[in-house]
Amino acid sequence: GAVVSQHPSRVICKSGTSVKIECRSLDFQATTMFWYRQFPKQSLMLMATSNEGSKATYEQGVEKDKFLINHASLTLSTLTVTSAHPEDSSFYICSARDQQGLETQYFGPGTRLLVL
Amino acid sequence: DAKTTQPPSMDCAEGRAANLPCNHSTISGNEYVYWYRQIHSQGPQYIIHGLKNNETNEMASLIITEDRKSSTLILPHATLRDTAVYYCIVRVIFGGTSYGKLTFGQGTILTVHP
Repeated sequence: GAVVSQHPSRVICKSGTSVKIECRSLDFQATTMFWYRQFPKQSLMLMATSNEGSKATYEQGVEKDKFLINHASLTLSTLTVTSAHPEDSSFYICSARDQQGLETQYFGPGTRLLVL
Repeated sequence: DAKTTQPPSMDCAEGRAANLPCNHSTISGNEYVYWYRQIHSQGPQYIIHGLKNNETNEMASLIITEDRKSSTLILPHATLRDTAVYYCIVRVIFGGTSYGKLTFGQGTILTVHP
């Protein structure tokens, strides 16, 4: 199946710093990628849709100035958590939509963010 | 809101078939049924999808009722590594503002025991 990678797999940072998470589709091109967040014992919540070459679309309640998304190529999207605070600690997961066929979404392994 | 209903948890003995039900009574004609699973602390893994016909791949089988209001995911010979949260999702495949989005509900926690 299609492979999506994320980097880093886990990160610990101090409050007030910014953290960048990369999402790559390794063996297919993806004009659209999605960013999710998952808190402990909860389901995945869609944060935003990342579109190659255009602005991201954010879900209601997600601050676009805090969660900066850049989709510079057909295989790479980045999520930057700016001025991170402890409440931003979560599991961040990306998915990439395969342009072929029914455009199935394939997920990355996730990034565990801990803000101290 | 998720458009599917799944039991919160199920148990299965190793080597036996695991049958996971899903109710999607409000499914529309332009929506497919997708199944993903999430093993602890990992990203979701795609399993299978279908529209109205039964589907089978190397991981599982998907049985969709004729009226498309429910489906069952079948893992034919469950192993301990199949212990995970299984999500049944209906997804718009063309048109509209929800095109392509996946809305995750709470899923079914499947526990496979020896």
